[in-house]
Amino acid sequence: QVQLVESGGGVVQPGGSLRLSCAASGFTFSSYGMHWVRQAPGKGLEWVAFIRYDGSNKYYADSVKGRFTISRDNSKNTLYLQMNSLRAEDTAVYYCAKSDYGGWSPWGQGTLVTVSS
Amino acid sequence: QSVLTQPPSVSGAPGQRVTISCTGSSSNIGAGYDVHWYQQLPGTAPKLLIYGNSNRPSGVPDRFSGSKSGTSASLAITGLQAEDEADYYCQSYDSSLSGLYVFGTGTKVTVL
Repeated sequence: QVQLVESGGGVVQPGGSLRLSCAASGFTFSSYGMHWVRQAPGKGLEWVAFIRYDGSNKYYADSVKGRFTISRDNSKNTLYLQMNSLRAEDTAVYYCAKSDYGGWSPWGQGTLVTVSS
Repeated sequence: QSVLTQPPSVSGAPGQRVTISCTGSSSNIGAGYDVHWYQQLPGTAPKLLIYGNSNRPSGVPDRFSGSKSGTSASLAITGLQAEDEADYYCQSYDSSLSGLYVFGTGTKVTVL
């Protein structure tokens, strides 16, 4: 079945870095754009970044532009999010989601990133 | 900051009908971009509920329906059930400089 599994979350100090991964299975990963979305504790959903199916174009929310980098390895069916210069306000559960003209589905189970000293 | 506005909460008794509004602007819903709806059960990841304004993915009960008009969209739940208690989010595309993809503020549905 179509599945996305995130990993790489954890506790990091302000100013630190972390790389998240999203392993895809059950579909032709190289044919679909992919999103990262985050949700701060007790808050709503916030779109973070998008990458086209072939990695040719990448788009970011203003809140992470210049600090986060989205990438993918289609040979490994894996999506990445490199997060640098982390701030307390980046604390959230990070989800990856498969993009389609018919909405975003499925979503991974999420991985928690905590930025704290 | 969300550019799509939803009511913080709605509630209804089992079997009743509830609606959730999603108000946008001329740079997103009003520009003709599709609206999608997601359901987030407590402690779980969001799940696609309605896509392309009014279409249900396979497996979503027909109790859920979506519509769009002007700069707003709506999600209706008829025959409300206990398992519908969740957070619901609308989502669309925005052509302004502030961001490409936008979510609604989210609505908590409580079954009384």
